Amino acid sequence: NAGVIQTPRHKVTGKGQEATLWCEPISGHSAVFWYRQTIVQGLEFLTYFRNQAPIDDSGMPKERFSAQMPNQSHSTLKIQSTQPQDSAVYLCASSLDLQNNYAEQFFGPGTRLTVL
Amino acid sequence: TQTVSQSDAHVTVFEGDSVELRCNYSYGGSIYLSWYIQHHGRGLQFLLKYYSGNPVVQGVNGFEAEFSKSDSSFHLRKASVHWSDSAVYFCAVRSTGGLSGKLTFGEGTQVTVIS
Repeated sequence: NAGVIQTPRHKVTGKGQEATLWCEPISGHSAVFWYRQTIVQGLEFLTYFRNQAPIDDSGMPKERFSAQMPNQSHSTLKIQSTQPQDSAVYLCASSLDLQNNYAEQFFGPGTRLTVL
Repeated sequence: TQTVSQSDAHVTVFEGDSVELRCNYSYGGSIYLSWYIQHHGRGLQFLLKYYSGNPVVQGVNGFEAEFSKSDSSFHLRKASVHWSDSAVYFCAVRSTGGLSGKLTFGEGTQVTVIS
């Protein structure tokens, strides 16, 4: 079990460029989460998929951010026209189905995004 | 709205001594509580969780936590710390109602173990 895989581990973009972050959840996990971590804001929830369907995107900024889960083996977080304030570590997590048990979320190592 | 507060930003403890990390939450409904550890430059690792039953729960590596409804707390403890316990610890709360499984995290407590 390789755990949650996130690529790339580090990404540097120029202001205004697009960034796409990838997440491969643990095989068999039906819930996928994205969080953002900064020194100032701490850990913030962004969005959540269950069985590939978007369930809760209440934490996603209304502009420039989007997330997809085209199949059960990967999810992407896309940031268009990146800004310096988007610099953060983006964490992906996965868990078993939440309906029948309060399963813990397993986190990937994160992608550190730096916007110059 | 649920909130989580970790009152200690930084704790320094001697190796072999005990440590307690405080976590207080604010939420009116039924919740699920957990603790995570984050070593420098790494992702979060699950330590333990509580939903119901015995208010004292055991986790990995000798950690335990105690839930108190009256105090709205879920403090983490370890009887004898090791140098490898140096890390940032996060308390998290999740509502058990609704469809969202999102975790709301506290600010984190940096633990430094010294010899």
